[in-house]
Amino acid sequence: DAMVIQNPRYQVTQFGKPVTLSCSQTLNHNVMYWYQQKSSQAPKLLFHYYDKDFNNEADTPDNFQSRRPNTSFCFLDIRSPGLGDAAMYLCATSRVIREPQHFGDGTRLSIL
Amino acid sequence: SQQGEEDPQALSIQEGENATMNCSYKTSINNLQWYRQNSGRGLVHLILIRSNEREKHSGRLRVTLDTSKKSSSLLITASRAADTASYFCATDEGGSTLGRLYFGRGTQLTVWP
Repeated sequence: DAMVIQNPRYQVTQFGKPVTLSCSQTLNHNVMYWYQQKSSQAPKLLFHYYDKDFNNEADTPDNFQSRRPNTSFCFLDIRSPGLGDAAMYLCATSRVIREPQHFGDGTRLSIL
Repeated sequence: SQQGEEDPQALSIQEGENATMNCSYKTSINNLQWYRQNSGRGLVHLILIRSNEREKHSGRLRVTLDTSKKSSSLLITASRAADTASYFCATDEGGSTLGRLYFGRGTQLTVWP
């Protein structure tokens, strides 16, 4: 089945130690999104790619970066994680903008 | 902020009853979408309703949209225990070419057997 896969499901890192979360898709969708979701809160868009065009949200911390080396893969890099970065990180795709988004099951990030 | 707001924050009902969740938003939209999220999982798209539509149905789901009141509702009929989840509305901001979705904080629905 075509899907969005996030690895790992759970990630533990130390305060200040860089971490990379990965997302892959078999849907061949043009758009990929990264969201941050804290407990009982709304998913918050961090950035998205339309093909190779990168769109960063104005309030996304500089600590967060993303790479999309090809259509299928997208990475979220957190350069120096702080305690406030502990959250669920969700990857989503859509064929084009304004269409329904397909989500992975997320990576839950814990900071020690 | 365009962020939608769902109401109520939590809803608890018995199997077989109907569940109604409401969403309000602040500015014009291209479309409004509803998603479901089971605990610890990703979001699953339920329905997309465009700004020129007033009502859509999908199985046991019925969504209405009132752009004059900037509000939408999601009705789940004959609810089942498996419908227990968080339900989010998300708005696609009018006038934007980027197609961002702004999510509300969700309604936690619990359906008791």
